[in-house]
Amino acid sequence: KAGVTQTPRYLIKTRGQQVTLSCSPISGHRSVSWYQQTPGQGLQFLFEYFSETQRNKGNFPGRFSGRQFSNSRSEMNVSTLELGDSALYLCASSTGGGEKLFFGSGTQLSVL
Amino acid sequence: EDKVVQSPLSLVVHEGDTVTLNCSYEVTNFRSLLWYKQEKKAPTFLFMLTSSGIEKKSGRLSSILDKKELFSILNITATQTGDSAVYLCAVEATSGTYKYIFGTGTRLKVLA
Repeated sequence: KAGVTQTPRYLIKTRGQQVTLSCSPISGHRSVSWYQQTPGQGLQFLFEYFSETQRNKGNFPGRFSGRQFSNSRSEMNVSTLELGDSALYLCASSTGGGEKLFFGSGTQLSVL
Repeated sequence: EDKVVQSPLSLVVHEGDTVTLNCSYEVTNFRSLLWYKQEKKAPTFLFMLTSSGIEKKSGRLSSILDKKELFSILNITATQTGDSAVYLCAVEATSGTYKYIFGTGTRLKVLA
């Protein structure tokens, strides 16, 4: 069974640009959640999608948005990038019924 | 506000040592506590604990949960250089939907 796949692995952008990250969950998993990881801050929850609906949302500004498609693949978009958005963005999938999370390898975003 | 606190923040030991990592939490509607190991990018699952006082073991790693005192410990015996990683603790909460609150992690370095 293929694991969680995130693309791209690395991304370099400049301030003010926007970026879209992609996550393909494990087959059969309907929940996809996104986390931002910066040194010293741990994993900060962005949002979770379940069956194409946003089910939970963290405390991030509206520049961060996401969506989920009918095949459970999810995208995360960040508009008007700021230097502070530089981070590792991790995607995790699960059945959505309170089971363990399976993580992808992340997208390392650098904003210059 | 829900929070998960891990200690110590970092730890340096020599091969063969035994280490204890701590995780305390204040979370409404606790459902389970999970431990993950993050070596490079993708956190990998170690344990899920739901019941108090029952130790989970996997090789040299073990973990236990105390739901009365609201903490968990992760023990690693006979440490090896391959144990060097960031160890993440997460608490799963449920109030209709499921959410995971992560600690900032403990960075373990094992010297040969």
